Amino acid sequence: QKEVEQDPGPLSVPEGAIVSLNCTYSNSAFQYFMWYRQYSRKGPELLMYTYSSGNKEDGRFTAQVDKSSKYISLFIRDSQPSDSATYLCAMSGDNYGQNFVFGPGTRLSVLP
Amino acid sequence: NAGVTQTPKFQVLKTGQSMTLQCAQDMNHEYMSWYRQDPGMGLRLIHYSVGAGITDQGEVPNGYNVSRSTTEDFPLRLLSAAPSQTSVYFCASSYSTDRSYEQYFGPGTRLTVT
Repeated sequence: QKEVEQDPGPLSVPEGAIVSLNCTYSNSAFQYFMWYRQYSRKGPELLMYTYSSGNKEDGRFTAQVDKSSKYISLFIRDSQPSDSATYLCAMSGDNYGQNFVFGPGTRLSVLP
Repeated sequence: NAGVTQTPKFQVLKTGQSMTLQCAQDMNHEYMSWYRQDPGMGLRLIHYSVGAGITDQGEVPNGYNVSRSTTEDFPLRLLSAAPSQTSVYFCASSYSTDRSYEQYFGPGTRLTVT
C-alpha cells in the first residue's frame, strides 16, 4: 500500500460546480498537509497548507483534514475553467520539506 | 523578483552522457530541493540542501550529485545518464516556521535519455 493514495482522474465537471478532491494516507504521524495546483507543463504551486485536523478556507478553496479517518479533502466552490489543472496532495510528520510525501495527483477539467 | 529559475527547459541526452541542470532562487531561502516527476508516481525527492555547504540525499539519489556553494544556486548533476532518468525535474526553494510553510517550484526541465 502506498503511503499516500489519490485518484488520478481525470475528473470533469461543468463550470460553477463544487469540486471535491481527496487523498487518503496510512501514516498516522502525518501532521502537516498541503495541496498544490499544477498547470500543464508548469511547476507545482502551493495552494493550501494546514496543520493537524480541521478546516482552512481561502477564497473559493477549502482544505479539510480528518486525521481519525486519515483522509484529506480540497473543495473548490464555483469552479472555473481556469481551475483545470492537476492537484497534488502532500503530507509530512514535521515541517521539514525533505520529509513531505506527495500523492500522484488528480487531473481536473472544468468545462465551460 | 524572478522566484526559482531552471535551465535548460528541455534536454535530450544519450546514455552515458553527463550534464548539469541549473537552479537559482532570489528569495534568500535556506532550503532548496530537487524532485523528479514521473507519470503516476508523484514528486520524488532526489537531493536537498538546508543551507550553503550542506546537502543530503532524498528518496531517489542514485545517479545524481548536488552541491550548494551559495544560497542562491543549487545545481543537479547527472553523472552518467540512463534511460531510467528520463523525467521532468523540478527545483524548489522553501521557507518554514513552526506553523507556516512557503514553497516555490521552478518551471521544470524535461529530460529525455535515449
